[in-house]
Amino acid sequence: DAGVTQSPTHLIKTRGQQVTLRCSPKSGHDTVSWYQQALGQGPQFIFQYYEEEERQRGNFPDRFSGHQFPNYSSELNVNALLLGDSALYLCASSSGLYSNQPQHFGDGTRLSIL
Amino acid sequence: DQQVKQNSPSLSVQEGRISILNCDYTNSMFDYFLWYKKYPAEGPTFLISISSIKDKNEDGRFTVFLNKSAKHLSLHIVPSQPGDSAVYFCAAIDSGTYKYIFGTGTRLKVLA
Repeated sequence: DAGVTQSPTHLIKTRGQQVTLRCSPKSGHDTVSWYQQALGQGPQFIFQYYEEEERQRGNFPDRFSGHQFPNYSSELNVNALLLGDSALYLCASSSGLYSNQPQHFGDGTRLSIL
Repeated sequence: DQQVKQNSPSLSVQEGRISILNCDYTNSMFDYFLWYKKYPAEGPTFLISISSIKDKNEDGRFTVFLNKSAKHLSLHIVPSQPGDSAVYFCAAIDSGTYKYIFGTGTRLKVLA
């Protein structure tokens, strides 16, 4: 049973560029959440997708956008990259929108901005 | 404003002894709490959770205690093993939005 998978594992970009990160949820899960984890910090909630719509959003600018596909996989897009966007980006999946069932995390994409 | 706080960045414990990791929160809308463990180069792995209607939940060597009046929870690991060495994150679920709010983590090192 495949867990949450993310690609790519590592990515290096320069300021001003755009990036797309991808996530496939755990089998049976239909809800995908994205988090940013800066060095020495805990994961910070970016947004959550369910039924192909953004349902919740954290305190992140519009440069951060996403998409969910009919097969529940998801993409995170970041435009006009800043040095401060360097972080580990984690995807988590769960079943149902309003649930206390624990989210399952992927291993993340390490994004470095030069 | 940090709504979930883990004030100890690191903790070292001897193998076989008890590890106690602490977490404080400020928002009374939080009604479900989870602990995640994270190894380097891996994503966080769910460990144990507790609902606000309980004050204790136990799963093998792991026990979580919740003190609602103090807005404090703790994770006890007994006995601690070298494989428990990892970063532990406390997370709270906001009952209104179901958003996860994470603490900054505590790095546990279990010494053999």
